[in-house]
Amino acid sequence: KQEVTQIPAALSVPEGENLVLNCSFTDSAIYNLQWFRQDPGKGLTSLLLIQSSQREQTSGRLNASLDKSSGRSTLYIAASQPGDSATYLCAVRRGNAGNMLTFGGGTRLMVKP
Amino acid sequence: DAGVIQSPRHEVTEMGQEVTLRCKPISGHNSLFWYRQTMMRGLELLIYFNNNVPIDDSGMPEDRFSAKMPNASFSTLKIQPSEPRDSAVYFCASSRDSYGYTFGSGTRLTVV
Repeated sequence: KQEVTQIPAALSVPEGENLVLNCSFTDSAIYNLQWFRQDPGKGLTSLLLIQSSQREQTSGRLNASLDKSSGRSTLYIAASQPGDSATYLCAVRRGNAGNMLTFGGGTRLMVKP
Repeated sequence: DAGVIQSPRHEVTEMGQEVTLRCKPISGHNSLFWYRQTMMRGLELLIYFNNNVPIDDSGMPEDRFSAKMPNASFSTLKIQPSEPRDSAVYFCASSRDSYGYTFGSGTRLTVV
Protein backbone atom coordinates (compact mmCIF):
# COMPACT_ATOMS: atom_id res chain seq x y z
CA LYS A 1 0.00 0.00 0.00
CA GLN A 2 1.35 3.41 -1.02
CA GLU A 3 2.07 5.77 1.85
CA VAL A 4 2.95 9.43 1.35
CA THR A 5 4.66 11.50 4.02
CA GLN A 6 5.29 15.22 4.07
CA ILE A 7 7.83 16.87 6.31
CA PRO A 8 7.62 19.27 8.00
CA ALA A 9 3.95 19.36 8.95
CA ALA A 10 4.18 23.10 9.55
CA LEU A 11 6.69 25.77 8.61
CA SER A 12 6.94 29.46 9.43
CA VAL A 13 9.44 31.64 7.58
CA PRO A 14 10.07 35.36 7.07
CA GLU A 15 9.21 36.88 3.75
CA GLY A 16 11.90 36.56 1.09
CA GLU A 17 13.31 33.23 2.17
CA ASN A 18 13.80 30.36 -0.23
CA LEU A 19 12.30 27.18 1.15
CA VAL A 20 11.95 23.48 0.42
CA LEU A 21 9.01 21.25 1.18
CA ASN A 22 9.58 17.51 1.23
CA CYS A 23 7.44 14.60 0.14
CA SER A 24 8.33 10.92 0.35
CA PHE A 25 6.48 7.86 -0.88
CA THR A 26 6.97 4.16 -0.18
CA ASP A 27 6.17 2.61 -3.56
CA SER A 28 8.29 3.90 -6.44
CA ALA A 29 5.94 2.44 -9.09
CA ILE A 30 4.15 5.73 -9.62
CA TYR A 31 2.59 7.18 -12.74
CA ASN A 32 2.99 10.80 -11.77
CA LEU A 33 3.21 13.12 -8.80
CA GLN A 34 1.22 16.29 -8.31
CA TRP A 35 1.69 19.22 -5.94
CA PHE A 36 -1.37 21.12 -4.77
CA ARG A 37 -2.01 24.23 -2.77
CA GLN A 38 -4.98 24.58 -0.44
CA ASP A 39 -6.01 27.86 1.14
CA PRO A 40 -8.10 27.73 4.35
CA GLY A 41 -11.67 26.77 3.60
CA LYS A 42 -10.96 26.36 -0.09
CA GLY A 43 -10.43 23.59 -2.58
CA LEU A 44 -7.17 22.25 -3.97
CA THR A 45 -5.35 24.12 -6.69
CA SER A 46 -2.89 22.19 -8.82
CA LEU A 47 0.58 23.71 -8.87
CA LEU A 48 2.81 21.26 -10.71
CA LEU A 49 2.49 17.82 -12.26
CA ILE A 50 5.56 15.64 -12.78
CA GLN A 51 5.27 12.53 -14.91
CA SER A 52 7.25 9.49 -13.78
CA SER A 53 9.69 9.95 -16.68
CA GLN A 54 10.47 13.54 -15.70
CA ARG A 55 12.91 14.84 -13.11
CA GLU A 56 11.50 18.31 -12.50
CA GLN A 57 8.90 20.88 -13.43
CA THR A 58 8.98 24.65 -13.00
CA SER A 59 6.30 27.29 -12.81
CA GLY A 60 7.30 30.80 -11.89
CA ARG A 61 8.90 30.77 -8.45
CA LEU A 62 8.04 27.10 -7.94
CA ASN A 63 10.21 24.16 -8.86
CA ALA A 64 9.33 20.55 -8.13
CA SER A 65 11.74 17.67 -8.46
CA LEU A 66 11.13 13.94 -8.53
CA ASP A 67 13.49 11.09 -7.65
CA LYS A 68 11.53 7.92 -8.13
CA SER A 69 14.31 5.56 -7.08
CA SER A 70 14.56 7.15 -3.66
CA GLY A 71 10.84 7.81 -3.36
CA ARG A 72 11.18 11.56 -2.93
CA SER A 73 9.93 14.82 -4.31
CA THR A 74 10.70 18.36 -3.25
CA LEU A 75 8.86 21.60 -3.87
CA TYR A 76 11.16 24.61 -3.92
CA ILE A 77 9.65 28.05 -3.43
CA ALA A 78 11.93 30.96 -4.26
CA ALA A 79 11.67 34.37 -2.63
CA SER A 80 8.64 33.46 -0.53
CA GLN A 81 5.81 35.98 -0.11
CA PRO A 82 2.98 36.27 2.44
CA GLY A 83 0.59 35.25 -0.34
CA ASP A 84 2.33 31.87 -0.44
CA SER A 85 0.87 31.06 2.98
CA ALA A 86 -1.27 27.95 2.54
CA THR A 87 -1.16 24.19 2.97
CA TYR A 88 0.86 22.36 0.33
CA LEU A 89 -0.06 18.79 -0.49
CA CYS A 90 1.75 16.26 -2.60
CA ALA A 91 -0.04 13.32 -4.13
CA VAL A 92 1.18 10.32 -6.07
CA ARG A 93 -0.77 8.47 -8.69
CA ARG A 94 -0.37 4.76 -9.16
CA GLY A 95 0.17 3.12 -12.51
CA ASN A 96 -2.32 3.99 -15.18
CA ALA A 97 -4.38 0.90 -14.44
CA GLY A 98 -5.32 2.44 -11.13
CA ASN A 99 -5.96 6.14 -11.29
CA MET A 100 -6.15 6.91 -7.62
CA LEU A 101 -4.14 9.65 -5.99
CA THR A 102 -2.67 9.03 -2.56
CA PHE A 103 -2.13 12.23 -0.59
CA GLY A 104 0.40 13.22 1.99
CA GLY A 105 -0.74 14.98 5.13
CA GLY A 106 0.40 18.36 3.87
CA THR A 107 2.77 21.08 5.00
CA ARG A 108 1.15 24.18 6.46
CA LEU A 109 3.25 27.17 5.41
CA MET A 110 3.15 30.59 6.99
CA VAL A 111 5.20 33.38 5.40
CA LYS A 112 5.48 36.35 7.72
CA PRO A 113 5.82 39.90 6.37
CA ASP B 1 -13.82 25.76 -18.96
CA ALA B 2 -15.69 26.28 -15.69
CA GLY B 3 -13.72 23.57 -13.94
CA VAL B 4 -15.22 20.89 -11.70
CA ILE B 5 -18.51 22.16 -10.32
CA GLN B 6 -19.87 20.96 -7.00
CA SER B 7 -23.14 21.75 -5.31
CA PRO B 8 -24.17 22.73 -2.78
CA ARG B 9 -21.19 24.63 -1.35
CA HIS B 10 -22.52 24.23 2.17
CA GLU B 11 -25.04 21.82 3.62
CA VAL B 12 -26.34 21.71 7.16
CA THR B 13 -28.68 18.86 7.96
CA GLU B 14 -30.06 17.00 10.92
CA MET B 15 -28.91 13.56 11.87
CA GLY B 16 -30.90 10.89 10.09
CA GLN B 17 -31.66 12.98 7.02
CA GLU B 18 -30.62 12.07 3.51
CA VAL B 19 -27.91 14.20 1.94
CA THR B 20 -27.06 14.33 -1.77
CA LEU B 21 -23.91 15.97 -3.06
CA ARG B 22 -23.52 16.73 -6.74
CA CYS B 23 -20.59 17.02 -9.10
CA LYS B 24 -20.14 18.02 -12.72
CA PRO B 25 -16.68 17.03 -14.00
CA ILE B 26 -14.71 18.82 -16.67
CA SER B 27 -15.95 17.95 -20.13
CA GLY B 28 -13.74 15.31 -21.72
CA HIS B 29 -12.37 13.96 -18.45
CA ASN B 30 -12.91 10.23 -18.16
CA SER B 31 -12.20 9.68 -14.46
CA LEU B 32 -14.10 11.09 -11.50
CA PHE B 33 -13.18 10.86 -7.84
CA TRP B 34 -14.93 11.60 -4.55
CA TYR B 35 -12.72 12.54 -1.60
CA ARG B 36 -13.52 13.44 1.97
CA GLN B 37 -11.34 15.77 4.03
CA THR B 38 -11.30 16.07 7.81
CA MET B 39 -8.79 17.53 10.23
CA MET B 40 -8.19 14.14 11.79
CA ARG B 41 -7.83 11.98 8.68
CA GLY B 42 -6.81 14.39 5.94
CA LEU B 43 -7.92 13.57 2.39
CA GLU B 44 -9.45 10.15 1.90
CA LEU B 45 -10.55 8.66 -1.40
CA LEU B 46 -14.10 7.37 -1.15
CA ILE B 47 -14.76 6.10 -4.66
CA TYR B 48 -13.66 6.63 -8.21
CA PHE B 49 -15.25 6.11 -11.60
CA ASN B 50 -13.60 5.49 -14.94
CA ASN B 51 -15.77 6.04 -18.01
CA ASN B 52 -18.81 6.25 -15.70
CA VAL B 53 -18.14 2.83 -14.16
CA PRO B 54 -17.26 2.53 -10.46
CA ILE B 55 -13.77 1.05 -10.26
CA ASP B 56 -12.87 1.17 -6.59
CA ASP B 57 -15.30 1.93 -3.76
CA SER B 58 -13.20 0.46 -0.98
CA GLY B 59 -12.97 3.85 0.66
CA MET B 60 -16.71 4.21 1.12
CA PRO B 61 -17.08 4.07 4.89
CA GLU B 62 -20.25 2.03 5.09
CA ASP B 63 -23.49 1.15 3.40
CA ARG B 64 -24.97 4.51 4.27
CA PHE B 65 -22.80 5.97 1.50
CA SER B 66 -23.57 5.45 -2.16
CA ALA B 67 -22.35 7.08 -5.36
CA LYS B 68 -23.62 7.10 -8.91
CA MET B 69 -22.45 8.40 -12.24
CA PRO B 70 -25.36 8.08 -14.67
CA ASN B 71 -23.48 9.86 -17.46
CA ALA B 72 -20.14 11.47 -18.22
CA SER B 73 -21.22 14.88 -16.99
CA PHE B 74 -22.80 14.17 -13.62
CA SER B 75 -22.18 12.27 -10.40
CA THR B 76 -23.84 12.14 -7.00
CA LEU B 77 -22.70 11.07 -3.57
CA LYS B 78 -25.54 10.19 -1.23
CA ILE B 79 -25.50 9.65 2.51
CA GLN B 80 -28.58 8.03 4.02
CA PRO B 81 -29.07 8.30 6.93
CA SER B 82 -26.53 10.99 7.79
CA GLU B 83 -24.68 11.03 11.12
CA PRO B 84 -22.67 13.77 12.89
CA ARG B 85 -19.42 11.90 12.17
CA ASP B 86 -20.07 12.40 8.45
CA SER B 87 -19.38 16.11 8.89
CA ALA B 88 -16.48 16.95 6.59
CA VAL B 89 -15.61 18.67 3.34
CA TYR B 90 -16.39 16.47 0.37
CA PHE B 91 -14.41 17.07 -2.80
CA CYS B 92 -15.02 15.88 -6.30
CA ALA B 93 -12.15 15.73 -8.79
CA SER B 94 -11.79 14.70 -12.40
CA SER B 95 -8.91 13.80 -14.68
CA ARG B 96 -8.16 12.61 -18.17
CA ASP B 97 -5.64 9.84 -18.87
CA SER B 98 -2.15 10.96 -17.87
CA TYR B 99 -3.14 14.50 -16.99
CA GLY B 100 -3.38 15.72 -13.45
CA TYR B 101 -6.42 15.99 -11.29
CA THR B 102 -8.67 19.05 -11.13
CA PHE B 103 -10.60 19.49 -7.91
CA GLY B 104 -13.91 21.20 -7.29
CA SER B 105 -14.38 23.75 -4.53
CA GLY B 106 -15.91 21.18 -2.23
CA THR B 107 -19.10 20.80 -0.23
CA ARG B 108 -18.85 21.52 3.46
CA LEU B 109 -21.28 19.16 5.19
CA THR B 110 -22.37 19.66 8.77
CA VAL B 111 -24.65 17.08 10.36
CA VAL B 112 -26.15 18.21 13.64
